[in-house]
Amino acid sequence: AQKVTQAQTEISVVEKEDVTLDCVYETRDTTYYLFWYKQPPSGELVFLIRRNSFDEQNEISGRYSWNFQKSTSSFNFTITASQVVDSAVYFCALSEALMAGFQKLVFGTGTRLLVSP
Amino acid sequence: EAGVTQFPSHSVIEKGQTVTLRCDPISGHDNLYWYRRVMGKEIKFLLHFVKESKQDESGMPNNRFLAERTGGTYSTLKVQPAELEDSGVYFCASSRVTGRYEQYFGPGTRLTVT
Repeated sequence: AQKVTQAQTEISVVEKEDVTLDCVYETRDTTYYLFWYKQPPSGELVFLIRRNSFDEQNEISGRYSWNFQKSTSSFNFTITASQVVDSAVYFCALSEALMAGFQKLVFGTGTRLLVSP
Repeated sequence: EAGVTQFPSHSVIEKGQTVTLRCDPISGHDNLYWYRRVMGKEIKFLLHFVKESKQDESGMPNNRFLAERTGGTYSTLKVQPAELEDSGVYFCASSRVTGRYEQYFGPGTRLTVT
């Protein structure tokens, strides 16, 4: 069975600090996809990134970066120079291979990030 | 383009009553999903539609839950009769069937059963 673990329930940082959100996953599939979503106070989940299991290249998008390591089954998310607007709940998710675009997402329990000024 | 919308945003009902949640996906998105987050736990998949057809309803908790997507546009999720353990946030998401598959989520409906 697939499982996603986000061991950090809540993280508090001061603005401009760097912060890393951990995500560890379990799956027997050789082809799978990993995701990060952000849930701001407005409630909707905002898509941040999708990674497939064959692409272990790290990705950087502005202040956001992701470190995918198959050897440790981890897909960690780092925010550099955090800002108050980064305060949200962040979810890591996993899905098996796509079929006609169908993705059954398996989520972790989320990490609440609080960035104070 | 307009995002996924859900109605109502919050519903408080008594045990044994019926509630219907509605989801309007992004126009052109044939995939529609329902997920649920019970307090403090992970968000869990409930079911998936492609247009009006249910493709996977393996996550539906029991037969008190009925989802429909008439005409392949909006979807409803009815809980009848509601139980205390049904309380949680119900999310709807939609995506395309080709091209970029990212799921776009709505803000959720918070259901409280008292």
